[in-house]
Amino acid sequence: GENVEQHPSTLSVQEGDSAVIKCTYSDSASNYFPWYKQELGKRPQLIIDIRSNVGEKKDQRIAVTLNKTAKHFSLHITETQPEDSAVYFCAAAFVGGFQKLVFGTGTRLLVSP
Amino acid sequence: NAGVTQTPKFRVLKTGQSMTLLCAQDMNHEYMYWYRQDPGMGLRLIHYSVGEGTTAKGEVPDGYNVSRLKKQNFLLGLESAAPSQTSVYFCASSYTEYEQYFGPGTRLTVT
Repeated sequence: GENVEQHPSTLSVQEGDSAVIKCTYSDSASNYFPWYKQELGKRPQLIIDIRSNVGEKKDQRIAVTLNKTAKHFSLHITETQPEDSAVYFCAAAFVGGFQKLVFGTGTRLLVSP
Repeated sequence: NAGVTQTPKFRVLKTGQSMTLLCAQDMNHEYMYWYRQDPGMGLRLIHYSVGEGTTAKGEVPDGYNVSRLKKQNFLLGLESAAPSQTSVYFCASSYTEYEQYFGPGTRLTVT
């Protein structure tokens, strides 16, 4: 089955810096890669996703890149702000009638003012 | 439009007791899921449903049962709770194969 590894487990940056979180997956059939943000005590919320027919996707200060050959994908956050502080989860799934997401173990991002 | 709701929010059980967690969604979503979240382990899929009357096993189904008698509700049952089932449980739903909407979670402690 699918296995997703996520690094780093914690990341501390200064406000305004960029942050990069990386994930690798094992199943070459996976074709859908979402990123979820979870604030302390809250529910996970989708912030961006990418499908395997696309190499990069941007939404304002966040972007995701996908390298299918190497089976890894990354989340990039530019101009970080204190409200970006949260735990970020990557996930992977084969979507073909149904998706069963396999999540990474999470990255705790701390943005200091 | 409440989205995805879960009851209860907190619960403490003794080993061997049983309980049912209720998930409800008002978005007419076909797909519903139950996850557990443990420190350092991310979210793991317990069971899921692709429509009313259907259920299927996920990654960690042992010790849990589910039912989807109505499209808007997905129930997770623990027949005989064990300390290893101490966790935060999240329900989610989706309309398509893509974006999943999560509920607020249920924090369960088994002593």
